[in-house]
Amino acid sequence: AQSVAQPEDQVNVAEGNPLTVKCTYSVSGNPYLFWYVQYPNRGLQFLLKYITGDNLVKGSYGFEAEFNKSQTSFHLKKPSALVSDSALYFCAVRGTSTTSGTYKYIFGTGTRLKVLA
Amino acid sequence: DAEITQSPRHKITETGRQVTLACHQTWNHNNMFWYRQDLGHGLRLIHYSYGVQDTNKGEVSDGYSVSRSNTEDLPLTLESAASSQTSVYFCASSELLAPGYNEQFFGPGTRLTVL
Repeated sequence: AQSVAQPEDQVNVAEGNPLTVKCTYSVSGNPYLFWYVQYPNRGLQFLLKYITGDNLVKGSYGFEAEFNKSQTSFHLKKPSALVSDSALYFCAVRGTSTTSGTYKYIFGTGTRLKVLA
Repeated sequence: DAEITQSPRHKITETGRQVTLACHQTWNHNNMFWYRQDLGHGLRLIHYSYGVQDTNKGEVSDGYSVSRSNTEDLPLTLESAASSQTSVYFCASSELLAPGYNEQFFGPGTRLTVL
């Protein structure tokens, strides 16, 4: 079954400390992986994606993510957290529709990041 | 600047009424999507379209319909609103090339309450 798991509902981190938001996936074939961020009362905004190539992907606002094929993970990281990073983060993977055979995105349930001043 | 807009931003309706949520994008993207966001479920795909006259069902399509008569718009219709359809609805679009390869651009959302 195709799925994305974000095992932590909430992650708390002190400002200035490194942060990690976890994501694991299960899809057939090569995974296309994405991270999005959602601020209150807003739509999701794209942060970064992994399609192929270097396992460490750099994205917007100083975020990066590490693709690990053996662990089927794509964890989001940032070396030094800011209070303004506090938001809801979603991991997504490209999956295949079982009915039509077309591609679609599968989203995780989201992880709320709280950066404490 | 190109954008994706949704209207209305907030809607309260009654059980059994037909409701249409509008989505308009000026990115000239061929791919458009409708999701609902509920606590504990993340985003779930309702319907999607890869171009004019093309529509496909997502994982939670029962009770919803869409039509695609032009590139810019993908309205979502709730045929007979139910309380279980109270949710926040997001429209998204992405470029044509290799659906699933490119990131999606999201609208600001519509908060729908069905009483």
